[in-house]
Amino acid sequence: SQELEQSPQSLIVQEGKNLTINCTSSKTLYGLYWYKQKYGEGLIFLMMLQKGGEEKSHEKITAKLDEKKQQSSLHITASQPSHAGIYLCGADMARETSGSRLTFGEGTQLTVNP
Amino acid sequence: DTAVSQTPKYLVTQMGNDKSIKCEQNLGHDTMYWYKQDSKKFLKIMFSYNNKELIINETVPNRFSPKSPDKAHLNLHINSLELGDSAVYFCASSPWDRIYEQYFGPGTRLTVT
Repeated sequence: SQELEQSPQSLIVQEGKNLTINCTSSKTLYGLYWYKQKYGEGLIFLMMLQKGGEEKSHEKITAKLDEKKQQSSLHITASQPSHAGIYLCGADMARETSGSRLTFGEGTQLTVNP
Repeated sequence: DTAVSQTPKYLVTQMGNDKSIKCEQNLGHDTMYWYKQDSKKFLKIMFSYNNKELIINETVPNRFSPKSPDKAHLNLHINSLELGDSAVYFCASSPWDRIYEQYFGPGTRLTVT
């Protein structure tokens, strides 16, 4: 099983609609990061959440981390075709033997129809 | 003035061949990574190097061998390629103390026939 579970795996919405993507871990996260990937390209860093209950916004994208630091949601308001892509959550799961690393969720493919 | 560059961008080869993918970053970062993204878009770390030293080596077949001649370069050599190796391989770099601040290369799409 994956250490980070993302849902849904894919999402098709009409332009102007709101949507939410979730990222869940069974372990407490030291940091939770959201990335966006356009087809065939590398990841672009969107936001970082580190404190329980933290919420950050950038333009029409808002990300929250729950109090227990085990679940995060990414919310897009009034979606646009430019929001289309793959959204991945990444988490800092520090390990004693091998140091901090980023573990990624399986990604959510977002399509926004005009 | 590309931050993280990878070559080649596309690689088509036959089973059993040996191939290399090169990665270079000009950001002055200490840490570099190799990721594999499979057909289901799942991105998984393979290796991580800090100042030319291997610090993360996930469960990856021995046929994959990273080499870091200096901290700006991290190359990936693959021996005896198999069909299952077909994927997109991404190189990335970050400051050692800010692993979330990873800058990704454009990816190398490897197709093994």
